[in-house]
Amino acid sequence: DAGVIQSPRHEVTEMGQEVTLRCKPISGHDYLFWYRQTMMRGLELLIYFNNNVPIDDSGMPEDRFSAKMPNASFSTLKIQPSEPRDSAVYFCASRYRAAGELFFGEGSRLTVL
Amino acid sequence: AQSVAQPEDQVNVAEGNPLTVKCTYSVSGNPYLFWYVQYPNRGLQFLLKYITGDNLVKGSYGFEAEFNKSQTSFHLKKPSALVSDSALYFCAVSPRGSSGTYKYIFGTGTRLKVLA
Repeated sequence: DAGVIQSPRHEVTEMGQEVTLRCKPISGHDYLFWYRQTMMRGLELLIYFNNNVPIDDSGMPEDRFSAKMPNASFSTLKIQPSEPRDSAVYFCASRYRAAGELFFGEGSRLTVL
Repeated sequence: AQSVAQPEDQVNVAEGNPLTVKCTYSVSGNPYLFWYVQYPNRGLQFLLKYITGDNLVKGSYGFEAEFNKSQTSFHLKKPSALVSDSALYFCAVSPRGSSGTYKYIFGTGTRLKVLA
């Protein structure tokens, strides 16, 4: 398996623009997590899905952030409109069942100017 | 509130010496416990986990972790550190949520620096 695949790896955009980050989890995994990592706040859980259903989105910072998982093999995290404080590395991770370990993608580094 | 604490921002150890990276947690029930490592500009990689059973868990690259239920701790250890072990280490717990699913909570990370 190719692992968790995220795109784009790097994104530079201007404030106010829409940003869409994409994730393809490992086939057969039933949990998908979105995290944000910054120097100041560390690794923050934004939202997670179980069997494509959003379970806990309490970590989503504002209404500007939204996440979807239309099927078992694809998820998006959208920021609209983007702001400079959204600059971070966004990780997607998936796992198989509750006791499984997380498999992380390589991350999407977002810079909002 | 559920939380994971890694009390040390950085741990320095000489190559060849034993290392310990500390982790304590505060969650209800019996969560699953994990350690991950992150190298620069990479995603986190799984090292080991505790689900049930023996309190000493062995993982990748010679790492092990000791689960202590009474102290709600899960410290990461290695008998002999290598310079290549220098990285950022994260402890994580996976408690059962009200919906019956299992979320994932990470600590703030500990930077391990192994000196030659």
